[in-house]
Amino acid sequence: DAMVIQNPRYQVTQFGKPVTLSCSQTLNHNVMYWYQQKSSQAPKLLFHYYDKDFNNEADTPDNFQSRRPNTSFCFLDIRSPGLGDAAMYLCATSRDRGPAAGETQYFGPGTRLLVL
Amino acid sequence: ILNVEQSPQSLHVQEGDSTNFTCSFPSSNFYALHWYRWETAKSPEALFVMTLNGDEKKKGRISATLNTKEGYSYLYIKGSQPEDSATYLCAFVTASKLTFGTGTRLQVTL
Repeated sequence: DAMVIQNPRYQVTQFGKPVTLSCSQTLNHNVMYWYQQKSSQAPKLLFHYYDKDFNNEADTPDNFQSRRPNTSFCFLDIRSPGLGDAAMYLCATSRDRGPAAGETQYFGPGTRLLVL
Repeated sequence: ILNVEQSPQSLHVQEGDSTNFTCSFPSSNFYALHWYRWETAKSPEALFVMTLNGDEKKKGRISATLNTKEGYSYLYIKGSQPEDSATYLCAFVTASKLTFGTGTRLQVTL
């Protein structure tokens, strides 16, 4: 089945130690998104790639970076995780950048990050 | 700041009960509204994409309505089952991105 895969499902890191979260997709979608969801809050978009074009949200901290080496893979790098970065990180894809026209987003199961 | 609000925050019903919850969003510059279901330890799954005022969509026992003029959408579940237990998220579409509400957490018990 075509899907969005995130690894690992749980990640523990130390305060200040760089960490990378992975996302892959078999849907061959053009757009990949990273969301952050903190406890009891709404998922919040960090950035997205439209093909190779990177689009950062204005309020995404510089501590968060992303790479998309090819269509299938996208990585979220947190350069110096702080305690406040503990959250669920969701990856999603869509066929095109057209949610204005009703494009569905397809989500992975998320990676829960714990910062010690 | 775009406000998408969902109520109630959580809901506990018994098997067989019908239930509904609300998503409120800005009524201006409407493009679309998405509903997702997110079961614990699984991926959020798209339920509906609603684009037109007065839209009513149905998937099995779940249905949704849309009022873009007053800025709300209702999600209904008829005859709730334990497998309906999940968090239901709505997301308002603007500038080619989704702005989510905090969700309604539904627990259905036997």
